[in-house]
Amino acid sequence: DIQMTQSPSSLSASVGDRVTITCQASQAISNYLNWYQQKPGKAPKLLIYDASNLETGVPSRFSGSGSKTHFTFIISNLQPEDIATYYCQQYDNLPLTFGGGTKVEIK
Amino acid sequence: EVELSESGGGLVQPGGSLRLSCATSEFTFSRYTMIWVRQAPGKGLQWVSAISPSGIDTYYADSVAGRFTISRNNSESTVYLQLNTLRADDTAVYYCARPRDTVTMEGLEYWGQGTLVTVSS
Repeated sequence: DIQMTQSPSSLSASVGDRVTITCQASQAISNYLNWYQQKPGKAPKLLIYDASNLETGVPSRFSGSGSKTHFTFIISNLQPEDIATYYCQQYDNLPLTFGGGTKVEIK
Repeated sequence: EVELSESGGGLVQPGGSLRLSCATSEFTFSRYTMIWVRQAPGKGLQWVSAISPSGIDTYYADSVAGRFTISRNNSESTVYLQLNTLRADDTAVYYCARPRDTVTMEGLEYWGQGTLVTVSS
């Protein structure tokens, strides 16, 4: 199985800050990497697919980059509504695997 | 608008069974792989199972293989997950999800609201 190591597990930042989350795959996965946002009590929401493609309707302050084993997710201008847990997920191979999540809070 | 809606969760004793359903609408169901993902209370996301558009090919996480069975009814646009020999660590919210793409599992674009399965005596 491909292990996805996501860091940090939590962070606290101020409104307007740039937030960076990383995800490392245990083996190369090309760009087969998605990012999701999950708010409490809600289903995950797809933000980024194929490592860097912004899902329709998602604000442009969200972005992703990377390939092979190292990926980065950025919120460029943190807003109060971005408080959530974020997950990376690979789909290069079954089983689909998710990172452990990053809980983003407002300082 | 694409919709997915799970049902069938509930409280069940260890060793018991449940059948989850995920009813869908507003897309050509028979063209898409369908996926189940679960989330234990306070924990992260775990892929459980997937089924090909035709239903011929099925895939399972090691932790549920041999106990869970995924199936689909393309004429009713519904995917199912039969949960047998349930254990306490199967307690979770179970989500069904649909990928963006009909060919790959690129981006789980649509999700249901989830159904809670609680395994406890």
